[in-house]
Amino acid sequence: AAGVIQSPRHLIKEKRETATLKCYPIPRHDTVYWYQQGPGQDPQFLISFYEKMQSDKGSIPDRFSAQQFSDYHSELNMSSLELGDSALYFCASSLAPDGYEQYFGPGTRLTVT
Amino acid sequence: AQSVSQHNHHVILSEAASLELGCNYSYGGTVNLFWYVQYPGQHLQLLLKYFSGDPLVKGIKGFEAEFIKSKFSFNLRKPSVQWSDTAEYFCAVRGSGTYKYIFGTGTRLKVLA
Repeated sequence: AAGVIQSPRHLIKEKRETATLKCYPIPRHDTVYWYQQGPGQDPQFLISFYEKMQSDKGSIPDRFSAQQFSDYHSELNMSSLELGDSALYFCASSLAPDGYEQYFGPGTRLTVT
Repeated sequence: AQSVSQHNHHVILSEAASLELGCNYSYGGTVNLFWYVQYPGQHLQLLLKYFSGDPLVKGIKGFEAEFIKSKFSFNLRKPSVQWSDTAEYFCAVRGSGTYKYIFGTGTRLKVLA
């Protein structure tokens, strides 16, 4: 069965650079979520989109922005990167925002040096 | 404030031992409850979920969980663990009508062969 696809899987950036992470949801899923998981920590919700509109917002820094495109894929844009942004960034998708579980992608490991 | 507590941060068991991982949540309303497992180096995988109905839910790989509304708990159980169950286990809550998951801090389970 098709799963959530994230690219790239690994990314190394320097401080103050920008990064773009991509997420391709499971086919027919219209809701996408982004989470950040720091080393040894639980995933923290960043932002979600339903039908290309932002549906919920969590602890996402102002330096980050995201959007969902017409094909339902989503991109997380991160600017002015800081060392503390080093983490595993998960994308998840669901069939709809309510009443359905989220399926997680493999994550993008971002290292900021 | 919405929160999820997992009381056991590290659990070490021998194969064939029984497992119970605690999860308590704080949320003023109807909730959906989930347990996810994260094997080393892998993404989060859904073990089981509770939306409504029978409070005892069965998941994959012999896991089950019981929702006790009066105790705001959703403990995970397995009668006999295997070495391959070594992983980190996350409890997650989603308030009905919201989109984001709130995760617990996770429990690292190590099963000794």
